[in-house]
Amino acid sequence: EAQVTQNPRYLITVTGKKLTVTCSQNMNHEYMSWYRQDPGLGLRQIYYSMNVEVTDKGDVPEGYKVSRKEKRNFPLILESPSPNQTSLYFCASSLSNRVNTGELFFGEGSRLTVL
Amino acid sequence: GENVEQHPSTLSVQEGDSAVIKCTYSDSASNYFPWYKQELGKGPQLIIDIRSNVGEKKDQRIAVTLNKTAKHFSLHITETQPEDSAVYFCAAGGSYKLIFGSGTRLLVRP
Repeated sequence: EAQVTQNPRYLITVTGKKLTVTCSQNMNHEYMSWYRQDPGLGLRQIYYSMNVEVTDKGDVPEGYKVSRKEKRNFPLILESPSPNQTSLYFCASSLSNRVNTGELFFGEGSRLTVL
Repeated sequence: GENVEQHPSTLSVQEGDSAVIKCTYSDSASNYFPWYKQELGKGPQLIIDIRSNVGEKKDQRIAVTLNKTAKHFSLHITETQPEDSAVYFCAAGGSYKLIFGSGTRLLVRP
């Protein structure tokens, strides 16, 4: 089944404890992206990647890191999480490296709470 | 910076009525305008999209209109059904970036 898989789906952690949210897609998609969803703010882009080893900042990159060593994986790293990073996170992918040529496929989300 | 405003934030309609959600964008270079539906506990899913060279697009009960001069676009759902209840997001963008609106929670009352 074609899908975007995120792990973990739920996580409660404490300030400063490094964590990684994994994202994997099995559709051979070029483009991958991370978003955070907060009430009243919609979906805001954190980072995106047009291809292996090519990443760029979105609108809210502060406090996050990403890497794209393999086409299928795009992990989101929080080196030192803070409470303002408590949010619902979505990974998404698209076949083309241009998002205006096709559908973005989203994962089911990872709800992160930082105490 | 680039911005997409979406209204209303919540919308309650009777089953069978129509629902309209409106979005305004700021970046005149935007050429792609998708709409996503997010059901409870799920990721957003594309329901319809429109490109800047088209003024209107329809898919069964769903239609989207685009006014490039005014920089706004709208989602129209006719004959609403309870399964249309969800959060809807508009987005606007170009090659590498989509800016999403803040979402509309649609409730269809049986």
